[in-house]
Amino acid sequence: SQTIHQWPATLVQPVGSPLSLECTVEGTSNPNLYWYRQAAGRGLQLLFYSVGIGQISSEVPQNLSASRPQDRQFILSSKKLLLSDSGFYLCAWRVRPYEQYFGPGTRLTVT
Amino acid sequence: GDSVTQMEGPVTLSEEAFLTINCTYTATGYPSLFWYVQYPGEGLQLLLKATKADDKGSNKGFEATYRKETTSFHLEKGSVQVSDSAVYFCALIPNNYGQNFVFGPGTRLSVLP
Repeated sequence: SQTIHQWPATLVQPVGSPLSLECTVEGTSNPNLYWYRQAAGRGLQLLFYSVGIGQISSEVPQNLSASRPQDRQFILSSKKLLLSDSGFYLCAWRVRPYEQYFGPGTRLTVT
Repeated sequence: GDSVTQMEGPVTLSEEAFLTINCTYTATGYPSLFWYVQYPGEGLQLLLKATKADDKGSNKGFEATYRKETTSFHLEKGSVQVSDSAVYFCALIPNNYGQNFVFGPGTRLSVLP
């Protein structure tokens, strides 16, 4: 079966510290992968998407970066976190042209 | 560009009440339409979808009909339960499936016993 994992589930980091969030999928190959952010009480903001290894598209300018070192691994990073980076980060996987599935999310609090 | 508009929440209902969450969209061509649900502390789950005009998506007692003439995809349920409390997102994919999903802002539903 197809599964998507995210870790950690929760994270509290001080301003200025680095960040690394990981997303992995199982049960498929060459998936389209996505990183979204959901600020408190807000909708979804698409941050990055990737259609293959090493291929990253950024939707908005920001303090974050993404990488895809392996086919089923998608990493979200920052060198120095800002308070505004707090939120719920969701990884998603496009299974078929019109079906997208989401991971359980990582709640990040920057203090 | 393509966009999705949802009624603002929060929506608070008593158990067994009728639910409607409005969703309208702006898109060129013929998008596919979706409702996703997010339970507290979790990721989004696909609730239902409709890929062409007049299609009705349904799941877990929820229904939505793709209305091209009114560019709408309203979510309905005849009798809500406390367990339906969640945030509901309306979304679309433009007619070119190579493009990304476009999500609405979400509507928070609270169902009281």
